[in-house]
Amino acid sequence: QSALTQPPSASGSPGQSVTISCTGTSSDVGGYNYVSWYQQHPGKAPKYMLYEVTKRPSGVPDRFSGSKSGNTASLTVSGLQAEDEADYYCCSYGGSNNWVFGGGTKLTVL
Amino acid sequence: QLVESGGGLLQPGESLRLSCAASGFTFSDSFMNWVRQAPGKGLQWVANINPDGSVKYYVDSVKGRFTISRDSAKNSLYLQMNSLRAEDTAVYYCARGHVHSFDIWGQGTLVTVSS
Repeated sequence: QSALTQPPSASGSPGQSVTISCTGTSSDVGGYNYVSWYQQHPGKAPKYMLYEVTKRPSGVPDRFSGSKSGNTASLTVSGLQAEDEADYYCCSYGGSNNWVFGGGTKLTVL
Repeated sequence: QLVESGGGLLQPGESLRLSCAASGFTFSDSFMNWVRQAPGKGLQWVANINPDGSVKYYVDSVKGRFTISRDSAKNSLYLQMNSLRAEDTAVYYCARGHVHSFDIWGQGTLVTVSS
């Protein structure tokens, strides 16, 4: 199964909002509401940010939100803060008990 | 939390077993996974095992070479990796499964395959 497609980079100034897209197919993103997002700072393990497209685990600020339309999911970070600068990965359940990740997006806070 | 161990430097064709020690949650009730990340690259799901260890799934590129297993008495997850290839070089993370996503991650262990 092919990786999901994410833009390699995104950026925004502090306080602004930025949206990162994640495009798959009807066999993964479009077929299931099991899209999740992970934040990864350099040299660190990924951190669970969103699951089931829109749900936030406890402790994740409500500045992070998710949505999905057709085969494309999106992560929006509102009120950008310096600590949001990181790599972000989407992931979707792809059916037949396998999971596929996106290639990652490097978010820069200007 | 999850703590991986067992990584190292190996030659192509060699074998290695990774371990992941779990604490702070009911390991025996949890689906568990291995996810890897090649240097400078993105994440890739590798393998999944159900709570009682009876059902296992793998990404196509490791089928027949890697085996995921668990020992609930020891709260431990394992990944036996045989016939290692250069393209298996990565940081290997264990991660708990949660509604078709991964909610708890270890710090990772680096496996380098090089001649």
